[in-house]
Amino acid sequence: DIQMTQSPSSLSSSIGDRVTITCRASQSINTNLNWYQQKPGKAPKLLIYGASTLQSGVPSEFSGGGSGTDFTLTISSLQPDDFATYYCQQSYSIPYTFGQGTKLEIK
Amino acid sequence: EVQLVESGGGLVQPGRSLRLSCAVSGFTFDNYAMHWVRQTPGKGLEWVASITWNSGAIGYAASVKGRFTISRDNGKSSLYLQMNSLRLEDTATYYCVKDGGEKRISGRGYYFDFWGQGTLVTVSS
Repeated sequence: DIQMTQSPSSLSSSIGDRVTITCRASQSINTNLNWYQQKPGKAPKLLIYGASTLQSGVPSEFSGGGSGTDFTLTISSLQPDDFATYYCQQSYSIPYTFGQGTKLEIK
Repeated sequence: EVQLVESGGGLVQPGRSLRLSCAVSGFTFDNYAMHWVRQTPGKGLEWVASITWNSGAIGYAASVKGRFTISRDNGKSSLYLQMNSLRLEDTATYYCVKDGGEKRISGRGYYFDFWGQGTLVTVSS
């Protein structure tokens, strides 16, 4: 199985900050990497697919990059609505594994 | 508006069976692969199973293979998950999830663009 490791596991930041979350795959997954945002009691929401394609309706403050084994999710300027938990997920091969999550909290 | 509504969750004893259903609307169900993903507080998000738009290819997580069966009825715009021989570790919220790619024939590149609200399955004696 491909292991997905996110860092950091938690992060405290302020409104307006630029934040970067990283995700590392245990083997190359090309650009088959997706990012999701989840708020308490809600289903995950797709933010980015194919490593860098912004899902329709997602604010442009979100961006994704990387290929191979190392990927990033960047929020250019934190908004109040962005405080949530973020997950990466690989869709290169079965089983489609998720990272353990990064909880983004208000400082 | 895309909607996915799960049903069938509940409390069940170990070793028993449960069938989850997902009724969808707002998109052409026949054209998209569908997935089940579960979530537990301790283990986070776990992909469970996937089925292509025409049921031509199906995949399972090792933890459920041989016990769970994913299926779909395109005429009823519905997705199902038959869960047999349930174990304590199957306790989770189960989400019905739509794939983002139309008539995809390969699982590589799947992305989960719409999720249901989830249904809780509790396996306990």
